Amino acid sequence: EPEVTQTPSHQVTQMGQEVILRCVPISNHLYFYWYRQILGQKVEFLVSFYNNEISEKSEIFDDQFSVERPDGSNFTLKIRSTKLEDSAMYFCASSEVGAGVTGELFFGEGSRLTVL
Amino acid sequence: AQSVTQLGSHVSVSEGALVLLRCNYSSSVPPYLFWYVQYPNQGLQLLLKYTSAATLVKGINGFEAEFKKSETSFHLTKPSAHMSDAAEYFCAVSGSGGGSEKLVFGKGTKLTVNP
Repeated sequence: EPEVTQTPSHQVTQMGQEVILRCVPISNHLYFYWYRQILGQKVEFLVSFYNNEISEKSEIFDDQFSVERPDGSNFTLKIRSTKLEDSAMYFCASSEVGAGVTGELFFGEGSRLTVL
Repeated sequence: AQSVTQLGSHVSVSEGALVLLRCNYSSSVPPYLFWYVQYPNQGLQLLLKYTSAATLVKGINGFEAEFKKSETSFHLTKPSAHMSDAAEYFCAVSGSGGGSEKLVFGKGTKLTVNP
């Protein structure tokens, strides 16, 4: 069964360092997402990406965040200068149609980011 | 704008007992509603979804949910809990008709099933 894969599963970094989280969405999907879950809190939307551009982003997704689809298979989230409060589980998701059009999201297992 | 409130961060039931996880939503447009499950060390998996068809929705693993517009609720139930149901459950809402690509999640309810 096709699945969304994420790497790394866990990354520890120092505050101020750049981090890149990688995702391989399901191959025929067109919509890509990043969500995050700070320990003990709700799963929060960060950004959606369609047709090689950001289609929607939350207020959390400020200038330190960026997303890219560098080739036909990968979808990356870059955090330029990590802060302590960026420590969270980051989930990548993909869907055939957008979540606002009855789309089901397929989530990866997550990348746990710990900022020291 | 959409939001979801899940009542009870932890629910504990005995094996074989009824499972009831509560979700209330707020939406400025007709909502699409979802329940996702997260097993330990795994990603979120869709259990079921409501997209304006039948108000009683059946999902995987014997779960179902009923959309009640008058109560703005979408509670998740299962008649008989199994040990394998122990997980965290998230209710989510999106706006129908496009315009937003995001799901808005509740805080989650952790279900414990006791033998």
